[in-house]
Amino acid sequence: GQNIDQPTEMTATEGAIVQINCTYQTSGFNGLFWYQQHAGEAPTFLSYNVLDGLEEKGRFSSFLSRSKGYSYLLLKELQMKDSASYLCAVSETNDMRFGAGTRLTVKP
Amino acid sequence: DTAVSQTPKYLVTQMGNDKSIKCEQNLGHDTMYWYKQDSKKFLKIMFSYNNKELIINETVPNRFSPKSPDKAHLNLHINSLELGDSAVYFCASSPNLGQFGYTFGSGTRLTVV
Repeated sequence: GQNIDQPTEMTATEGAIVQINCTYQTSGFNGLFWYQQHAGEAPTFLSYNVLDGLEEKGRFSSFLSRSKGYSYLLLKELQMKDSASYLCAVSETNDMRFGAGTRLTVKP
Repeated sequence: DTAVSQTPKYLVTQMGNDKSIKCEQNLGHDTMYWYKQDSKKFLKIMFSYNNKELIINETVPNRFSPKSPDKAHLNLHINSLELGDSAVYFCASSPNLGQFGYTFGSGTRLTVV
């Protein structure tokens, strides 16, 4: 089996920085993905880590430590539109499995 | 052009009915998937198809059957619908099996009454 754990909910203030953590246990690791999902919409791809370290893409960055089974998504300069669920997903040999998601609420 | 399109977007039906959800991708991807997202928003893999071959069949009831006429299409047939089947079903595709980011369809909200 495979466990992917991330906090259920987080709240942050507009303009601030928030870090969403994800821990996982898996085999046949192919990569760690982060997706954003607004209510009632499909998940959309945010970032991808296959090697250890930090990947930066605009206001979003994602970090991976394979030895620790740990990743985080960092969101900077938060905007109201960033209120959404953020899904951590692990790619294995045959499929991608998702965590339950972290619901982020950005307040003014 | 929509990359991954699934129809219908909403489906309301009675218990015991048989229904189908269609999915098509125009990305040239080799692999397509069906995911179920329940009321707790947890996305669970149901099926994967790679070059028309079923790769994964998770422990879903055999009332659910994927059908892939070609690698651009993966339809989901559901027989004898039950109340617990109510959920949002997402189709997705990827270039290769288990690799790279998935592109999701917009989802089909199935309500069984």
